[in-house]
Amino acid sequence: EDKVVQSPLSLVVHEGDTVTLNCSYEVTNFRSLLWYKQEKKAPTFLFMLTSSGIEKKSGRLSSILDKKELSSILNITATQTGDSAIYLCAGSDGSSNTGKLIFGQGTTLQVKP
Amino acid sequence: NAGVMQNPRHLVRRRGQEARLRCSPMKGHSHVYWYRQLPEEGLKFMVYLQKENIIDESGMPKERFSAEFPKEGPSILRIQQVVRGDSAAYFCASSLQGALTDTQYFGPGTRLTVL
Repeated sequence: EDKVVQSPLSLVVHEGDTVTLNCSYEVTNFRSLLWYKQEKKAPTFLFMLTSSGIEKKSGRLSSILDKKELSSILNITATQTGDSAIYLCAGSDGSSNTGKLIFGQGTTLQVKP
Repeated sequence: NAGVMQNPRHLVRRRGQEARLRCSPMKGHSHVYWYRQLPEEGLKFMVYLQKENIIDESGMPKERFSAEFPKEGPSILRIQQVVRGDSAAYFCASSLQGALTDTQYFGPGTRLTVL
């Protein structure tokens, strides 16, 4: 059965710290790995990764995919309280050609002032 | 440029009633996905629809749940004879082409509570 596992499940840091969130996947006919940030409402899209070893960056956030290790990491540098959220990782399942996403449980990040 | 819209945001039903959840995709998007998030769990895929077609309903419970995406109007997720175990957040996502590498954009969700 397809699964995506994230670690840690929760994390508490102080402003200015750097954090690394992990995601490992076992997805049939894997096509892409996506990261979302979920606050109190809609999960908002962060990154889509399809190629191994190519880092994607957006401000203080960056992410990279390792297809050999079936994993991805999301880095956040110089964390701010506004980074507090649940970070979701999802693998895109290509087996049925529909692009449905298999989500991990999420990592809850709390950034303290 | 409105994003994905869902309504209602909160819905309370008593056991045995029907719940109707609506999703309007982003402008120009004709592919809709429904996901369910149970308490303390990740989002789970339910169904994928294009206009007037159900493409993949492999994640839908076999009974009481149905979905549609008519030619005009929003996509509807319908739950008949709700039970307490249906209490969850239901998220809709839309994409432009439904391609395997197409980004899915999520709505704010409908939080269903069954009393």
